[in-house]
Amino acid sequence: DTGVSQNPRHKITKRGQNVTFRCDPISEHNRLYWYRQTLGQGPEFLTYFQNEAQLEKSRLLSDRFSAERPKGSFSTLEIQRTEQGDSAMYLCASSLAPPNTEAFFGQGTRLTVV
Amino acid sequence: QKEVEQDPGPLSVPEGAIVSLNCTYSNSAFQYFMWYRQYSRKGPELLMYTYSSGNKEDGRFTAQVDKSSKYISLFIRDSQPSDSATYLCAMSETGANNLFFGTGTRLTVIP
Repeated sequence: DTGVSQNPRHKITKRGQNVTFRCDPISEHNRLYWYRQTLGQGPEFLTYFQNEAQLEKSRLLSDRFSAERPKGSFSTLEIQRTEQGDSAMYLCASSLAPPNTEAFFGQGTRLTVV
Repeated sequence: QKEVEQDPGPLSVPEGAIVSLNCTYSNSAFQYFMWYRQYSRKGPELLMYTYSSGNKEDGRFTAQVDKSSKYISLFIRDSQPSDSATYLCAMSETGANNLFFGTGTRLTVIP
């Protein structure tokens, strides 16, 4: 499978715990994006990387959220001190750099904070 | 006012019908327009990608962008039960970073 891969697919955690998600993009894509989707809504942009550089962060990305993309390959998204409001589907996407910016999404990691 | 407005439906049609899905937007700087299909509990799947105005056709799917009216459409011809899913429009000024999505329209195609 050469698509975007996300792990784990599901995560249940207790409020206050830290969680980390992993995304492996399509191998030739140098751009990687994180989005969050809550039930009945479209995805909302969180942050994106070009290679290893984090180029943009949404105001939705609070101080408890941190994303990394060491060596410009896979990326991790960590949420510290989780809150119930963090429960959502966390989606990763990747693309080539402009002008070809079609973004392909992974299957997502569904987070439930109890 | 949201950046992107999309009728959430739900929309039910008989098999073989032509389906029309629409979004309106407020930001005239949007230049990249996409349609995604999302099955329940899955990630969005890219269906159509259009830069600026015009029409694009791919099999049974046609995407239209009217920048003067700030209105985009997706048409599905000869709809099939396998087309039953939520359809999301998405758009941005600069590409796939900071895409603004609609809330999605839930479509059911009845055999």
